[in-house]
Amino acid sequence: DAGITQSPRHKVTETGTPVTLRCHQTENHRYMYWYRQDPGHGLRLIHYSYGVKDTDKGEVSDGYSVSRSKTEDFLLTLESATSSQTSVYFCAIRSGSGNQPQHFGDGTRLSIL
Amino acid sequence: QKEVEQDPGPLSVPEGAIVSLNCTYSNSAFQYFMWYRQYSRKGPELLMYTYSSGNKEDGRFTAQVDKSSKYISLFIRDSQPSDSATYLCAMSAIDSKLTFGKGITLSVRP
Repeated sequence: DAGITQSPRHKVTETGTPVTLRCHQTENHRYMYWYRQDPGHGLRLIHYSYGVKDTDKGEVSDGYSVSRSKTEDFLLTLESATSSQTSVYFCAIRSGSGNQPQHFGDGTRLSIL
Repeated sequence: QKEVEQDPGPLSVPEGAIVSLNCTYSNSAFQYFMWYRQYSRKGPELLMYTYSSGNKEDGRFTAQVDKSSKYISLFIRDSQPSDSATYLCAMSAIDSKLTFGKGITLSVRP
């Protein structure tokens, strides 16, 4: 196990409501990532973090914000959820030493009605 | 052209078959190549990680990278029903940002 916990594992909510997903790691890794996985698109990077309070946008960042106030936690927020954000969201972590690969959590299934 | 193309599948093989999974890419800056395995309702699990061209073997799995042709492959020998999963290729340049293929679903029939 990669020491990654995503919460909640499942969530159903309504259009227009705010949603926050949490990724918690026990590995003390520097890098953390948020992806979404959709049929026909594969995994796409939303945002990533390269340290506490250091974040940057990925390929599909519109409508999402992130925060990292502690090494172990990386939060993804949908300020006003839309049906197009229905997806499976994965968090990944990577050690900062050398070119190490990313390791993934088991995802959050988010449905926006 | 997508940066990473992966055969869409699905792929169904009998138990014991040799499986070949392939991806092509267009970005010559890619130098780190990965294969992830994803079971239903689980996260991607790192299977193989290689740097630059060449082969890497781990048990029944062999990863092959041909940078001159921009082509990577994953071979599974003596395939088992437990190998039934979606396989994702991924690659990155020095910045470590991953670009994924769309994945191929493999079914190994007992």
